[in-house]
Amino acid sequence: DAKTTQPPSMDCAEGRAANLPCNHSTISGNEYVYWYRQIHSQGPQYIIHGLKNNETNEMASLIITEDRKSSTLILPHATLRDTAVYYCIVRMLSTQGGSEKLVFGKGTKLTVNP
Amino acid sequence: EAQVTQNPRYLITVTGKKLTVTCSQNMNHEYMSWYRQDPGLGLRQIYYSMNVEVTDKGDVPEGYKVSRKEKRNFPLILESPSPNQTSLYFCASSFPTGENTGELFFGEGSRLTVL
Repeated sequence: DAKTTQPPSMDCAEGRAANLPCNHSTISGNEYVYWYRQIHSQGPQYIIHGLKNNETNEMASLIITEDRKSSTLILPHATLRDTAVYYCIVRMLSTQGGSEKLVFGKGTKLTVNP
Repeated sequence: EAQVTQNPRYLITVTGKKLTVTCSQNMNHEYMSWYRQDPGLGLRQIYYSMNVEVTDKGDVPEGYKVSRKEKRNFPLILESPSPNQTSLYFCASSFPTGENTGELFFGEGSRLTVL
């Protein structure tokens, strides 16, 4: 079963912020949160990742709650080209050993409307 | 250019005819994995490999084999394809997390149809 839970779909107006939630209530202390997106049937593309601090890059911001049980991906000014399926996954710190069995789930279909 | 290359990109085959989908990466990544994507089911991991000669099952390994004899290559083998293996397949690779970002790089996908 997926270790993350995401809403199946969301809508956002062009130019507004898109806030995509992800629940990962069973996350362990050595697991990172990663976000990817997939446009049409292309290969998924990395967006951002974090462990416990909030992170920002040129694409997005990642807000992780203090208890680390959920996170939010923020696209600050959504454009039509941001219409895609967004996946939130958890991935273990490799130096800790253990399984690298990754579970992507079904993601959130974000539609940015003009 | 850093990339993950899959071949073939499109294939139509018949039930029972063995086929191999190749995956090659030029980034010296230790980790490689295969996924299948079906409508309404998202991305599901088939197999993964932590390094040369180290492979393990993902969520849906039945009907597939893999090998990792070289670091750059991770072929997906369908010994006796069946129609339920008709799907879009993705290969991905990355460095381990911790020392690096652990960002997965995906190939462009291979669309397989088994008649």
